[in-house]
Order: sequence, then structure tokens, then C-alpha cells
Amino acid sequence: DTGVSQDPRHKITKRGQNVTFRCDPISEHNRLYWYRQTLGQGPEFLTYFQNEAQLEKSRLLSDRFSAERPKGSFSTLEIQRTEQGDSAMYLCASSPTSFEQFFGPGTRLTVL
Amino acid sequence: AQTVTQSQPEMSVQEAETVTLSCTYDTSESDYYLFWYKQPPSRQMILVIRQEAYKQQNATENRFSVNFQKAAKSFSLKISDSQLGDAAMYFCAYRSGDNYGQNFVFGPGTRLSVLP
Repeated sequence: DTGVSQDPRHKITKRGQNVTFRCDPISEHNRLYWYRQTLGQGPEFLTYFQNEAQLEKSRLLSDRFSAERPKGSFSTLEIQRTEQGDSAMYLCASSPTSFEQFFGPGTRLTVL
Repeated sequence: AQTVTQSQPEMSVQEAETVTLSCTYDTSESDYYLFWYKQPPSRQMILVIRQEAYKQQNATENRFSVNFQKAAKSFSLKISDSQLGDAAMYFCAYRSGDNYGQNFVFGPGTRLSVLP
């Protein structure tokens, strides 16, 4: 068990481009969360999966954001037509229960 | 909607001393969970301590303890015998006890410096 991993760790893109991030949770963790964290702020909830089902999605998440978790294993977060305001750290966390989350190292996105 | 407030953007403590980080929250729910997470510089966030709202006894994990005041909606973290490795951002977080509410709400964080 190597913990939650995220790829890539850093992504620089130009405004208007699409980007996709991957999260590999701890094996057998059926819950998976995506968060966005901007500098000096706490993580902001984006979406939640239980197995392959996306059960919650933040109202703050625009239609440009989509997440999947095929087969209840790894998850991807895609941002279409990126904007400078999308620049942030994107964190993934997995959990075997409702009460503890194991976070990954994050993917830092910079939109130029 | 629930909100979590951390009124101390930065705190410092001398090594081996004790420091208390403050957290207040706003909710209309009676069943919920509260957490403190630690995020060291350039490292992953880790859980420090957890408190169930239905438990009156304050949670303790080694040098870390909480003062949970449900009526006041206050949830402070005390770090005893501070060590250099305690230097990090500390986030207070709230989660509804509703089985359908998986949304964790985090506060803005407190940056803790430990002085040798």
C-alpha cells in the first residue's frame, strides 16, 4: 500500500486548453473525493464517489469540470476550456469509511 | 450551509511549549463530525484528530487534544510539548453525520511555526 497517488504533480497549460488529472486511491477504499485548494485557503470540496457512482457534486463546480471513476478504481478529473481562475492545487482523497480521508500529494495546475 | 472559521491565520510556539489553535463552526445539525488535519510544507495532508459530536469526552491522540464545546460550536486543538515537526498548516474540518452528506467543509487554516 503506497498511499494515494496523483498524476501529474504539476501541469502548466494555456487558457482554453483541456486538462485531465488522475488519482489512484488506496486499494479497496470505496470512497474517493476531489478538492480544489487555492493558496492560503483550505480545500474546497468538488465531488465525491462511492465506488463508481458519483454521489455528490459541488454547486460551485461548473459544467467545464467532469469527473469519472470507472470500475470504482482510479478517478479522473477533466477541466475543459481552462481559465486562469482554475489555477489551484487539485487534491484527491480516498477513504474506507466516512470518517477518515487519506490525501494524495495533489496536482498543481497553472493556467497561463 | 455549514461554515468553518479559523480566526488565527498564523501562530507560533516555542519548542516544548503548548499551543492552542482555535476553530468555530456554524451548523444547524446535531449529528456531525469534526476533524483537525495537518498539512506540512510541500507534503500531503494527514488527519491529526477526530471528534464525534455525540461524544462528550474530548478526543486525545498523544500530544494532541481537543476542547470540544458543542453549545458554543467551538473545537480547539491543543498541541503539547511542541516539536519542530509540528510546523505546518492546520485545517479544521466539519462533516455532516447524515449518511448522505459526504461533503467535508474545511476552514481557511492556521499556519503554525515552531521556534527552536
